[in-house]
Amino acid sequence: KAGVTQTPRYLIKTRGQQVTLSCSPISGHRSVSWYQQTPGQGLQFLFEYFSETQRNKGNFPGRFSGRQFSNSRSEMNVSTLELGDSALYLCASSPPSTTDTQYFGPGTRLTVL
Amino acid sequence: AQSVTQLDSQVPVFEEAPVELRCNYSSSVSVYLFWYVQYPNQGLQLLLKYLSGSTLVKGINGFEAEFNKSQTSFHLRKPSVHISDTAEYFCAVKSGSYIPTFGRGTSLIVHP
Repeated sequence: KAGVTQTPRYLIKTRGQQVTLSCSPISGHRSVSWYQQTPGQGLQFLFEYFSETQRNKGNFPGRFSGRQFSNSRSEMNVSTLELGDSALYLCASSPPSTTDTQYFGPGTRLTVL
Repeated sequence: AQSVTQLDSQVPVFEEAPVELRCNYSSSVSVYLFWYVQYPNQGLQLLLKYLSGSTLVKGINGFEAEFNKSQTSFHLRKPSVHISDTAEYFCAVKSGSYIPTFGRGTSLIVHP
């Protein structure tokens, strides 16, 4: 079974731009979560989607948004990028039998200049 | 509320030596506990998890962890490490309907 895939793997943007990251979960997984990982803050939860509905949301500004499609693929969008948004963005999916175990993708490395 | 503390930010060890990475958690309800490993430029990979039952949990790559409710700990151990175990290790806790909380990570550095 293919793992969680994230595209693109690397991205360079400038301040003020917006960016969209994509995540394809493991086949059959309906829950998708997004995390931001930085050296200073560690892993911070952004949001979780289940069956196209946002189920949980972390403490991030409204510039960070996401959505999930009917095939469980998910996208997250960051508008008006700031230097501090430079991070590794990780996506994780969970099987329907339990949402406790998460399977992570390789991440998208976003650099904001 | 829940929280997790990884007591060591970095653990250096020689190859073939035993290692213990420490994790303490706090939660007012029963918990699920996890250890993940992250190799450079990769995502997190699940090493092992404790959901219920036996307090000694065995995972992949020869790692094991013991859930200690009285000490609210979930330390990760390996009897003999290899160079390839050099990576970042994350402890995570999840209780009830809360989203998982991750520790800040422990960098395991295995020297030849």
